[in-house]
Amino acid sequence: DAGVIQSPRHEVTEMGQEVTLRCKPISGHDYLFWYRQTMMRGLELLIYFNNNVPIDDSGMPEDRFSAKMPNASFSTLKIQPSEPRDSAVYFCASRQGYQETQYFGPGTRLLVL
Amino acid sequence: KQEVTQIPAALSVPEGENLVLNCSFTDSAIYNLQWFRQDPGKGLTSLLLIQSSQREQTSGRLNASLDKSSGRSTLYIAASQPGDSATYLCAVRNSGGSNYKLTFGKGTLLTVNP
Repeated sequence: DAGVIQSPRHEVTEMGQEVTLRCKPISGHDYLFWYRQTMMRGLELLIYFNNNVPIDDSGMPEDRFSAKMPNASFSTLKIQPSEPRDSAVYFCASRQGYQETQYFGPGTRLLVL
Repeated sequence: KQEVTQIPAALSVPEGENLVLNCSFTDSAIYNLQWFRQDPGKGLTSLLLIQSSQREQTSGRLNASLDKSSGRSTLYIAASQPGDSATYLCAVRNSGGSNYKLTFGKGTLLTVNP
C-alpha cells in the first residue's frame, strides 16, 4: 500500500484566499484524523471521522475551518478565508478499527502570507 | 484537560551512548501511551505502544516504560546511532468511551553525532 497520501505537499497563499487540503487514507482503514502542527502548540487533533462520519470536531479552531469525507477513500480540509495564523503543517492519519496505530501522511506545509 | 510534557526539548549525544527521553501527563486515566518518531519533512511513525495495564514495551534497541500512577513514561534508546536523529513525540489516549483522540507532547529533538 502507498500509505496515506496528502496533497498538495506545499501551499503558499495570500490572506483571504480559500485553501483546500486533500487526503487519501490507507485502503480499508475506517478512521481518518486531521491534525495541525505548529511550533507554539505542537500537534493538535482538529477532527476525526469514523466510517466517513465526523465523530469529534472539538479541535476545529473556528468556522473558517471545515472538513468533509464524502467516501471512504477521500477527505478534504478547507480553510476559508485563510489567515496568516493558519500557517502550519497539516497532517492526515488513518487507522483500522481494531488496531491502535495511526498511520500518518507526509503532511501539507501551508504558508499564508 | 490532558496535558503532555516532554523533557528535554532537545538533546545532543555522541554515537553509542544510551539515552532516556521523558514524557509526563497530567491525567492518569489513560487508555494507552504511544511513542512516535518524526523525521524532518515527514509524518509520524509509531514506535511503541503501551497499554495502561502494561509497564513496558520493547522493540529492538528501544524500550518504553509506563508509570501510570505518577503520570510518567520514558523511552530508552540503547547504543544510539546517527540514524536515530529525529524528533520523538509521546501521545496519550484517554480512557473512557470510544474517543480515539490522542494528546501529543511537543517532542524531543534528538541529535546523535557520529
